[in-house]
Amino acid sequence: LAKTTQPISMDSYEGQEVNITCSHNNIATNDYITWYQQFPSQGPRFIIQGYKTKVTNEVASLFIPADRKSSTLSLPRVSLSDTAVYYCLVGDTPRWDQGGKLIFGQGTELSVKP
Amino acid sequence: NAGVTQTPKFRVLKTGQSMTLLCAQDMNHEYMYWYRQDPGMGLRLIHYSVGEGTTAKGEVPDGYNVSRLKKQNFLLGLESAAPSQTSVYFCASSDLTHRSARARDEQFFGPGTRLTVL
Repeated sequence: LAKTTQPISMDSYEGQEVNITCSHNNIATNDYITWYQQFPSQGPRFIIQGYKTKVTNEVASLFIPADRKSSTLSLPRVSLSDTAVYYCLVGDTPRWDQGGKLIFGQGTELSVKP
Repeated sequence: NAGVTQTPKFRVLKTGQSMTLLCAQDMNHEYMYWYRQDPGMGLRLIHYSVGEGTTAKGEVPDGYNVSRLKKQNFLLGLESAAPSQTSVYFCASSDLTHRSARARDEQFFGPGTRLTVL
């Protein structure tokens, strides 16, 4: 199973770009990389997903190198409301006969200061 | 749409007691999941279901049982609670064909159930 490693915490200031990297050395061919955001006392919320190269949506970008052993979530110009825990998830939709293969990282606590 | 709801929000049990956590989704999703979240451990998959009537083990299934008798509901049972099962439990659902999903397999999470076992 792929194991993921993320920094435990990061600090930033409003208006800066924040890059959070997740390492997943044992990623499998069928695995996707998904990032979730979680606020206190809430369930995680989807941010972005990718398989390789670069993906961009209205809130973030995801960079995945060719070997796919890591990925970087980029949050452009963060605000105070981006203070949250960010989780990297590596895996594929589980099949009924192959067991759950969804591995969340331990999460990165991002603190955005004014 | 309510999305994913979980019942109850909080519960305190004594060691050895049993209880059932209920997860309900109104998005007609095929896949449903139960996770537990502990400090410093991230989310760990307990059990999941790929459709009505199916269940399968995740990463940490021991001490839990699940049932998916109806497509919209996914129940997590603790037959004999232990202090090690003190955690926050999250339910999620997803569907590969869900039209409003922004990704191949976007999971929609419930608000969580905080369980304490004394």
